[in-house]
Amino acid sequence: AQSVAQPEDQVNVAEGNPLTVKCTYSVSGNPYLFWYVQYPNRGLQFLLKYITGDNLVKGSYGFEAEFNKSQTSFHLKKPSALVSDSALYFCAVLILTGGGNKLTFGTGTQLKVEL
Amino acid sequence: NAGVTQTPKFRVLKTGQSMTLLCAQDMNHEYMYWYRQDPGMGLRLIHYSVGEGTTAKGEVPDGYNVSRLKKQNFLLGLESAAPSQTSVYFCASSPRSSEQYFGPGTRLTVT
Repeated sequence: AQSVAQPEDQVNVAEGNPLTVKCTYSVSGNPYLFWYVQYPNRGLQFLLKYITGDNLVKGSYGFEAEFNKSQTSFHLKKPSALVSDSALYFCAVLILTGGGNKLTFGTGTQLKVEL
Repeated sequence: NAGVTQTPKFRVLKTGQSMTLLCAQDMNHEYMYWYRQDPGMGLRLIHYSVGEGTTAKGEVPDGYNVSRLKKQNFLLGLESAAPSQTSVYFCASSPRSSEQYFGPGTRLTVT
């Protein structure tokens, strides 16, 4: 069974410092991996995805993620955090089936960026 | 483009009442999905559809029904609401092998 784990419920970072939000996955076959962000009382917004190619993927709002096959990880990173980055972040793995594409989500990591 | 829209935004039901949540997308996406979001549990797939007239069960389908009579609409029905169905419901759509686009959510409380 495919699964995604986000080991940290919350990550606290000072503004201007680099941030990392961790994600590990377990799938059979090649993973399609995604990061989404959710601001309070809003739906999920797509940030970035890894399908194939370069292990470092760049996405929206200055975020990037590094795919590491040997460690089965897909950590989200940003070189310099902003207070406005404070939100709930979800990692997800896409399962391609003959009957549709299913996203399995992690439980989410609350990012808090403080002045 | 409005993207993915959901109606209503909020609803309070009494146990045993029924209701229908409407999802609409204007991106001509083939696939549509209904999720529920509960604290500490991430998003869980309720039902999904790979095309007009087709539906399939997701991870937590019990107590819900769906219909997709038109490509752009995906309806989620609760026939007899229970307090355990208090949640935030999200609809999403996607092209066949790509990221999903989410609606703003419907906050449902069942008393």
